[in-house]
Amino acid sequence: NAGVMQNPRHLVRRRGQEARLRCSPMKGHSHVYWYRQLPEEGLKFMVYLQKENIIDESGMPKERFSAEFPKEGPSILRIQQVVRGDSAAYFCASSPNNGYTFGSGTRLTVV
Amino acid sequence: GENVEQHPSTLSVQEGDSAVIKCTYSDSASNYFPWYKQELGKGPQLIIDIRSNVGEKKDQRIAVTLNKTAKHFSLHITETQPEDSAVYFCAASLQEYGNKLVFGAGTILRVKS
Repeated sequence: NAGVMQNPRHLVRRRGQEARLRCSPMKGHSHVYWYRQLPEEGLKFMVYLQKENIIDESGMPKERFSAEFPKEGPSILRIQQVVRGDSAAYFCASSPNNGYTFGSGTRLTVV
Repeated sequence: GENVEQHPSTLSVQEGDSAVIKCTYSDSASNYFPWYKQELGKGPQLIIDIRSNVGEKKDQRIAVTLNKTAKHFSLHITETQPEDSAVYFCAASLQEYGNKLVFGAGTILRVKS
């Protein structure tokens, strides 16, 4: 019974490149949440998705960031034209019941 | 929107002592309050949670208390062990799924042996 799977674990991008982060929820979970954790800070909500639908994107930056959760396949968090300030750990969580289960995260470094 | 404050930011205790971390929240509509433990380089791991219809919950050495009137909740760890050293986060949500979690800033707990 695999948990929430995120890949890659580490991602290095040069300024201006695109970053794609993947999240496969726990089996049977259809709700996915993305959070960002800046160094030595708490987790900040970004977006909540169900299959093929964005439910709450109130935490997403207005530009360069997008997320999807297609009918088949993992959820994708996409960051276009990355800047140094995007360097952070990005965590995905899934539900629907017994609370939220987090993956191990993707650590994005922009150089 | 919801705002969660967490204190202290760092906590050092001697092995075997108790540790208490406190959080306050602002939205009286919040009904679900989980606590997460995060070790270096890993994702947050749920250690205990409490719902608004319960005032206290205990799981072995870990307990959580909730005061809905005062809008605060606390994590209590008894008989601390070195492996309890980690960052602990409290969070609040409208319900246990289907809504975002709002996190506190975290508490670095160091258990000295």
